[in-house]
Amino acid sequence: KAGVTQTPRYLIKTRGQQVTLSCSPISGHRSVSWYQQTPGQGLQFLFEYFSETQRNKGNFPGRFSGRQFSNSRSEMNVSTLELGDSALYLCASSLAKASGRWVNNEQFFGPGTRLTVL
Amino acid sequence: TQLLEQSPQFLSIQEGENLTVYCNSSSVFSSLQWYRQEPGEGPVLLVTVVTGGEVKKLKRLTFQFGDARKDSSLHITAAQPGDTGLYLCAGGRGGATNKLIFGTGTLLAVQP
Repeated sequence: KAGVTQTPRYLIKTRGQQVTLSCSPISGHRSVSWYQQTPGQGLQFLFEYFSETQRNKGNFPGRFSGRQFSNSRSEMNVSTLELGDSALYLCASSLAKASGRWVNNEQFFGPGTRLTVL
Repeated sequence: TQLLEQSPQFLSIQEGENLTVYCNSSSVFSSLQWYRQEPGEGPVLLVTVVTGGEVKKLKRLTFQFGDARKDSSLHITAAQPGDTGLYLCAGGRGGATNKLIFGTGTLLAVQP
């Protein structure tokens, strides 16, 4: 079974631009979560999608947004980029539900997209 | 606010030594996961513990969830250079959310 894929792997942007990152979850997984990883703050939760609906959102400004498509693929967008947005953006997929019940939230991460804002 | 504190932050040891990494919180979690991350890659799930007092073994790695489900530990026996990496604990609240609260991380270097 293929793992979580993220594209692109590397991005360089300048302040004020916007960026869209893509994530394809493991086949059969319906939940996708996004995290930002920086040396100073570690791994921080951005948002989570399940069945095309945002279920949970972290403490990030409105410049960070996301969506999920009917095939469970997800995108996140960052508008008006700032230098502090430079980070590794990680996508994680999870089964979320089995036999109609919520299951333990084991998450499987993709390799990440390294975003550098100049 | 960092809800999960890991210690130590950095650890450099020789091959063959034993070590323990701690993950502590004042909050209760329904599950606790441990990940290992290598440079430039995403975290790889090692284990999930869900029951207070639970102990799980994965070859030379032993994971324990505290009785009160607020803390956890990872013990590595006879460390090898291949164990080098960033170890992260992450707590989940369960229910209808997959949000994980990640620990501060422990960077382990095992010298041959």
